[in-house]
Amino acid sequence: GAVVSQHPSRVICKSGTSVKIECRSLDFQATTMFWYRQFPKQSLMLMATSNEGSKATYEQGVEKDKFLINHASLTLSTLTVTSAHPEDSSFYICSARVDGQTQYFGPGTRLLVL
Amino acid sequence: GENVEQHPSTLSVQEGDSAVIKCTYSDSASNYFPWYKQELGKGPQLIIDIRSNVGEKKDQRIAVTLNKTAKHFSLHITETQPEDSAVYFCPRTTGTYKYIFGTGTRLKVLA
Repeated sequence: GAVVSQHPSRVICKSGTSVKIECRSLDFQATTMFWYRQFPKQSLMLMATSNEGSKATYEQGVEKDKFLINHASLTLSTLTVTSAHPEDSSFYICSARVDGQTQYFGPGTRLLVL
Repeated sequence: GENVEQHPSTLSVQEGDSAVIKCTYSDSASNYFPWYKQELGKGPQLIIDIRSNVGEKKDQRIAVTLNKTAKHFSLHITETQPEDSAVYFCPRTTGTYKYIFGTGTRLKVLA
């Protein structure tokens, strides 16, 4: 149980294009979903907290117009990197919470912007 | 904000030996202490967790101990195997359900 998937697993795009990443909770309904990014050999940095039907809460320093989050249902949240640039290349990971404090993480999406 | 300090940052052990990773926290209100394992190119995986009303929890080769007085909790892996090689995290849990990750511990099990 508590399986979270992400799609795509990796994506390469040209600079200036937008990329959408999906995060799904497969066998449970998630109260909250979280988006992180991780640079090589570094820690996970929380980008935003997403609740179904409401606007995402972004962490300080994260541009909400750059990283659009849509939480359409209790099992799906999407992160869109708009007008991507090479510095946006990173490993993006989502997680989902049912109740309590435990977060279940997806497998991650590796984004490479050329 | 209040952080979790994790030690050591890197750890190498021989296969079959034990590994111990320690996290120290400062918020006395903390009541949930998870451990995650992240393999290269993958998302973190919850391997064990403990709540503040419990002192120790064990699951096969993995155990977590909590010392509330000293404000630290430790991950113990016995009979280590090469597949235990990964980065281990003990994120700080907050009242808003967010996790704040530290730098982690890179464990290498030498065959």
